[in-house]
Amino acid sequence: AQSVTQPDIHITVSEGASLELRCNYSYGATPYLFWYVQSPGQGLQLLLKYFSGDTLVQGIKGFEAEFKRSQSSFNLRKPSVHWSDAAEYFCAVGAVRTGDMRFGAGTRLTVKP
Amino acid sequence: NAGVTQTPKFRILKIGQSMTLQCTQDMNHNYMYWYRQDPGMGLKLIYYSVGAGITDKGEVPNGYNVSRSTTEDFPLRLELAAPSQTSVYFCASRLQQGASYGYTFGSGTRLTVV
Repeated sequence: AQSVTQPDIHITVSEGASLELRCNYSYGATPYLFWYVQSPGQGLQLLLKYFSGDTLVQGIKGFEAEFKRSQSSFNLRKPSVHWSDAAEYFCAVGAVRTGDMRFGAGTRLTVKP
Repeated sequence: NAGVTQTPKFRILKIGQSMTLQCTQDMNHNYMYWYRQDPGMGLKLIYYSVGAGITDKGEVPNGYNVSRSTTEDFPLRLELAAPSQTSVYFCASRLQQGASYGYTFGSGTRLTVV
């Protein structure tokens, strides 16, 4: 079965600084990859997804992610973080055939003024 | 279009009590899921359903039951609540087989068992 590792439990960045959240996956073939964001007390919102093609994908709220097959990674980036980006971020991998999804443990982002 | 609706939003149960967490979606999605979210553990799949009348166990099904009598509804039942079931529960749905369509999540139910 597929699995996801998010090595960073908690990251703090200053407002306006760049951001990179790491995600490594394990899957026997090319996976479907997702990033979700969860604001406090809310459900998960889809930021972006990768199925195939261009390995750099753009999402909502100015986020992007790059799929690197050789590193089994799908890191999330944002050039300039806003205070409203403070949230928990989840990487997920979906099995191509069944669509069943496995989530990482999440990375909590704190944004300093 | 309401998406995925979960009720209640909050609930406190005593040990041994039972309750049903409701989940309804109005998007005509075939696939529905129940996850629990514990701090530092991400989301763990409890049960899922690929269509009305069909359900299957996920990673952590013990202590829970589900049914899927209609496409819209996928309730999660706790028969004998235990403190280990204190968690935030999320229902999700998606339309197509295959993962190309991401999940739509409800806003969650925060359950405390005391």
